[in-house]
Amino acid sequence: AQSVAQPEDQVNVAEGNPLTVKCTYSVSGNPYLFWYVQYPNRGLQFLLKYITGDNLVKGSYGFEAEFNKSQTSFHLKKPSALVSDSALYFCAVRDSWDSNYQLIWGAGTKLIIKP
Amino acid sequence: GAGVSQSPRYKVTKRGQDVALRCDPISGHVSLYWYRQALGQGPEFLTYFNYEAQQDKSGLPNDRFSAERPEGSISTLTIQRTEQRDSAMYRCASSLGWDRETNEKLFFGSGTQLSVL
Repeated sequence: AQSVAQPEDQVNVAEGNPLTVKCTYSVSGNPYLFWYVQYPNRGLQFLLKYITGDNLVKGSYGFEAEFNKSQTSFHLKKPSALVSDSALYFCAVRDSWDSNYQLIWGAGTKLIIKP
Repeated sequence: GAGVSQSPRYKVTKRGQDVALRCDPISGHVSLYWYRQALGQGPEFLTYFNYEAQQDKSGLPNDRFSAERPEGSISTLTIQRTEQRDSAMYRCASSLGWDRETNEKLFFGSGTQLSVL
């Protein structure tokens, strides 16, 4: 069965420091992996995705994520955090063997960047 | 339009009433999704359409929930005989849907916050 885990409910980082938001997944086939961000009172916004190719994926707002097949992880990273990065971050996965176009979502991680 | 538009933004209703939630997707987007999101949780899939055809409704909780997209553009999610447990944020998303890759970049609306008293 497909599943996504975001083990941290909340991550606190000082402005200017690097940040990591963790995501692990479980699928039967090959994973298609996504990160979305949700700002307060806003809809979810696409950040980046991994389908195939280079394990390091670059996305919007200076974020990147690294696909690690052996660890079944897709952690979101940014070298230097901004206060404006504070938001709710969701990881999602789709199984290549799944004939439906359904994304399985993690529960979300609240990222707080302190000045 | 420029983005996915949902209305109303907030809906308060009494238990037992019917409600209709509207979604206006980005112009030209083929696929339209409905999700329900509880506070602090990820989106829960309800149903999705390609054009006017409902492709998958497996996420609809029970037969009080229905959705339609009669002309392949605007969609309505209807909840009949609402119950308190239906209270949640209901989000609509759309995607280009031309191929597997474009279908998975979803553009979300701001949602309708439903409160059933």
